[in-house]
Amino acid sequence: GDSVTQMEGPVTLSEEAFLTINCTYTATGYPSLFWYVQYPGEGLQLLLKATKADDKGSNKGFEATYRKETTSFHLEKGSVQVSDSAVYFCALRGYNNNDMRFGAGTRLTVKP
Amino acid sequence: SQTIHQWPATLVQPVGSPLSLECTVEGTSNPNLYWYRQAAGRGLQLLFYSVGIGQISSEVPQNLSASRPQDRQFILSSKKLLLSDSGFYLCACPRGGGRTGELFFGEGSRLTVL
Repeated sequence: GDSVTQMEGPVTLSEEAFLTINCTYTATGYPSLFWYVQYPGEGLQLLLKATKADDKGSNKGFEATYRKETTSFHLEKGSVQVSDSAVYFCALRGYNNNDMRFGAGTRLTVKP
Repeated sequence: SQTIHQWPATLVQPVGSPLSLECTVEGTSNPNLYWYRQAAGRGLQLLFYSVGIGQISSEVPQNLSASRPQDRQFILSSKKLLLSDSGFYLCACPRGGGRTGELFFGEGSRLTVL
């Protein structure tokens, strides 16, 4: 079945450091790919998404490119801030599926 | 606008006690509804999803059950809680009728089983 594997955390960075969180997927057909973010004590909210190969999703300085050849959707940010501290989830929705599959989540802590 | 209400927000229950978590959706009609669980140190696990009243699909065999008595109401239940049921339970539905593929989440219910 469809699944998502993402980099295990926790990840601790200093402010203004470069961030990469790896995500790879297994799916039949052409899934849509998502990154969600969960700030402390809150539910999940969509950070960015891409619906077809080579699409780049971006939001709040974060970017991720849908790479079908490597089945990846790595999250990047050039300069993280303390306010980016959160848990990040990679997810996919398979074509014509009713559900969404999530990775295990990666906890990011950014120190001043 | 679309909103999801979950209650209670926090719950502490003894092992063997029953459970009822409620989710109500506003601002959309006939949505697909989902229950996810986020356990400590683990990712987000899909527990149940429903495509309509009385229609429930279970992803993981366990002592939990779900019901959808009304179009915009989704209930998660257990007759006897286990320690392993502790976690953060999230209700979700597709945003914008599902056109975007995005899921919209409630603020969650945190369950601690002692």
